[in-house]
Amino acid sequence: AQSVTQLGSHVSVSEGALVLLRCNYSSSVPPYLFWYVQYPNQGLQLLLKYTSAATLVKGINGFEAEFKKSETSFHLTKPSAHMSDAAEYFCVASGANNLFFGTGTRLTVIP
Amino acid sequence: EAQVTQNPRYLITVTGKKLTVTCSQNMNHEYMSWYRQDPGLGLRQIYYSMNVEVTDKGDVPEGYKVSRKEKRNFPLILESPSPNQTSLYFCASSLSSGTGLQYFGPGTRLTVT
Repeated sequence: AQSVTQLGSHVSVSEGALVLLRCNYSSSVPPYLFWYVQYPNQGLQLLLKYTSAATLVKGINGFEAEFKKSETSFHLTKPSAHMSDAAEYFCVASGANNLFFGTGTRLTVIP
Repeated sequence: EAQVTQNPRYLITVTGKKLTVTCSQNMNHEYMSWYRQDPGLGLRQIYYSMNVEVTDKGDVPEGYKVSRKEKRNFPLILESPSPNQTSLYFCASSLSSGTGLQYFGPGTRLTVT
């Protein structure tokens, strides 16, 4: 079965600084991988997805993630944080019939 | 507009009083799913449905029931709610299972006292 580990339940960055949210997955076969974002009092929306077409995946709002098979990682980055990026971020792996969610990382952006 | 709707958005109830949370999607998706979100645990799948009349248990199905009589609707039923079912619930749908591109509803915050 898949499992997803997100390192750091809370991350704080200054506005304009690099955002790095870490995710590692466990699987002998690379799954589909996703990052979802949840803004306060809202549902989840897809930021980006990896489906084996390219290892560097670009998503919405300037976010991107790099799939590294050797490290079983799929870290999310953004070069310059904006106040509107404050939210909770979930790394997700797909199984045959469902999704496996990481426990989430809450991003705080300090003005 | 493509969307997943849930009702009610907020619900406070008492132990043992049966309740239903409705979920509806307008995208003709085959796959629908229910999740609960608890602090520090992320989202955990309760039940999912691959198509009409096809449902199966997720990771945390105890205390819940579902039905899928129509493609667009996937209600979540708590026949005898207990305080440990206090949580934030999300319904989601997608064209097919495993693709990951799921559309999520806005959530239902349930409190059982």
